[in-house]
Amino acid sequence: DVKVTQSSRYLVKRTGEKVFLECVQDMDHENMFWYRQDPGLGLRLIYFSYDVKMKEKGDIPEGYSVSREKKERFSLILESASTNQTSMYLCAAQGGSYEQYFGPGTRLTVT
Amino acid sequence: ELKVEQNPLFLSMQEGKNYTIYCNYSTTSDRLYWYRQDPGKSLESLFVLLSNGAVKQEGRLMASLDTKARLSTLHITAAVHDLSATYFCAADGSSNTGKLIFGQGTTLQVKP
Repeated sequence: DVKVTQSSRYLVKRTGEKVFLECVQDMDHENMFWYRQDPGLGLRLIYFSYDVKMKEKGDIPEGYSVSREKKERFSLILESASTNQTSMYLCAAQGGSYEQYFGPGTRLTVT
Repeated sequence: ELKVEQNPLFLSMQEGKNYTIYCNYSTTSDRLYWYRQDPGKSLESLFVLLSNGAVKQEGRLMASLDTKARLSTLHITAAVHDLSATYFCAADGSSNTGKLIFGQGTTLQVKP
């Protein structure tokens, strides 16, 4: 069965902290994505990667960076967390069937 | 720039009734996706529509795609309480990259 896992379901961090959100997929898919979801705004794409060490900015990359050192793992980094980054973060992986499979999400609160 | 709009944003309906959620998108899109999200949960893939005229059905849900009208619909037949959830459509405007643009979501509440 398809599986995308995220390192934490809930996370509370302080303003200015460096935050790592980890995503792992077991499907050997090339494409991986990070979205954030906010009430009334739907899901917005932060960054995506179509291969190891390859990354492209999505619609709202400011304040974020990513890392993909191995095919199965895609990390989202908040260099200096701010309160406006409080959100639900969803990772997804996509393979040849065009379906995108989502992880369970990480609800991040920055205080 | 691709924009995706759903309507209605909120839908309250009685069990046993039929209804349709509409998803309009502003520019050419290769694929149209429908997802379901339960409160506090992640997104579950329902349908991927790949071409004009595509129709897919699963249980009481049927999705269709009209690329000329830039419209997709999600039709609910004889709704049951278990279908209560938020439904998102998303369009892929960039060939083969999977960069999805999501609609705002439609929250469906089915009352017994």
